[in-house]
Amino acid sequence: AQSVTQPDIHITVSEGASLELRCNYSYGATPYLFWYVQSPGQGLQLLLKYFSGDTLVQGIKGFEAEFKRSQSSFNLRKPSVHWSDAAEYFCAVRAAGGGNKLTFGTGTQLKVEL
Amino acid sequence: SAVISQKPSRDICQRGTSLTIQCQVDSQVTMMFWYRQQPGQSLTLIATANQGSEATYESGFVIDKFPISRPNLTFSTLTVSNMSPEDSSIYLCSVAQGLNQPQHFGDGTRLSIL
Repeated sequence: AQSVTQPDIHITVSEGASLELRCNYSYGATPYLFWYVQSPGQGLQLLLKYFSGDTLVQGIKGFEAEFKRSQSSFNLRKPSVHWSDAAEYFCAVRAAGGGNKLTFGTGTQLKVEL
Repeated sequence: SAVISQKPSRDICQRGTSLTIQCQVDSQVTMMFWYRQQPGQSLTLIATANQGSEATYESGFVIDKFPISRPNLTFSTLTVSNMSPEDSSIYLCSVAQGLNQPQHFGDGTRLSIL
């Protein structure tokens, strides 16, 4: 069965600093990969997705993620964090074939210091 | 992407009662899903809501506890039955336009059981 690991439960960065959130997955083939963000009191918003092709994907709000097959990773990055980026970030994976069932990581809570 | 509306946005209920949560989409969608997010936890898929037929439940979730309806391509309900404090969670509806399309989420229903 597929699984997702987000090793960092909490991360604190200063506004304007760069950000990298880690995500590792376990799956036998190339999965579909996603990053979602959840602001307090909100649902989940899709930041970006990887299905195939270019392993560096661009998303909304200035985020990008890089798929590294050799490391089974899909880390999320942003060059300069804004205070409004404070939220919880979830990495998710689904099988490339079969149903549209998502498996989520446990999430990383991002705090931004002004 | 589709606009997803969930009702109610939050509720406080007495144990032993049931609550029905509605998910309305502003356009027809192929797939609809229900997730549970327990306090401080990640998301867990409850079931896939199938239009015109019984929902497909994940391991650990049963129809008697979480009956789901999906009468058409824009609407679904999830009922949380015979509630106990352990059912206090955020319940989220998500939709996808197809197997190879990402899921988009509603804002969730925040449910507290006294």
